[in-house]
Amino acid sequence: AQSVAQPEDQVNVAEGNPLTVKCTYSVSGNPYLFWYVQYPNRGLQFLLKYITGDNLVKGSYGFEAEFNKSQTSFHLKKPSALVSDSALYFCAVGSANTGKLIFGQGTTLQVKP
Amino acid sequence: DGGITQSPKYLFRKEGQNVTLSCEQNLNHDAMYWYRQDPGQGLRLIYYSQIVNDFQKGDIAEGYSVSREKKESFPLTVTSAQKNPTAFYLCATAWGGVVQPQHFGDGTRLSIL
Repeated sequence: AQSVAQPEDQVNVAEGNPLTVKCTYSVSGNPYLFWYVQYPNRGLQFLLKYITGDNLVKGSYGFEAEFNKSQTSFHLKKPSALVSDSALYFCAVGSANTGKLIFGQGTTLQVKP
Repeated sequence: DGGITQSPKYLFRKEGQNVTLSCEQNLNHDAMYWYRQDPGQGLRLIYYSQIVNDFQKGDIAEGYSVSREKKESFPLTVTSAQKNPTAFYLCATAWGGVVQPQHFGDGTRLSIL
């Protein structure tokens, strides 16, 4: 079965501190992993993806994610959070077997000044 | 995303009424998707289409119908059989296959009168 878990409904960090938003997945075969961000009443915006290659993936707006095959995780990270990073973040996993993306339930990131 | 237009932004449905949500794209993408977003549940796939005149059911297709007569257009009809239609509906496009990032419109919020 194909599934994604984002164990935290909300993550709170202070501006300037590092942030981590967690994601674990389950999929048959090789995983295709994505992070998206959503601002209120808007669609999702693509941040980064892992298909193959280097386990550390760099994306938009200074975000990066680390693929860990043994822990089946794909955590989103940023060295220094900005207030403007406050939004809803979704992890998604795709499988060539199903041809579909499955999304996690989302994590709200709150960055306080 | 400027290349994907969803209309209307807000829509109200009366009991027993069918309503149609529009999704138009000028990105020349082959694949188009419809998702439903409910608070705390992430995105769930309703229907998707990889090519004109062909589409497949997603995970929650009951009470919905689609057509794909043109590459640029993928309208979603919410029928009276959908008993709980209140949600935020998102249309997405991609070049094709799960390895490609999906691009999202800004959604239509459907409510029951």
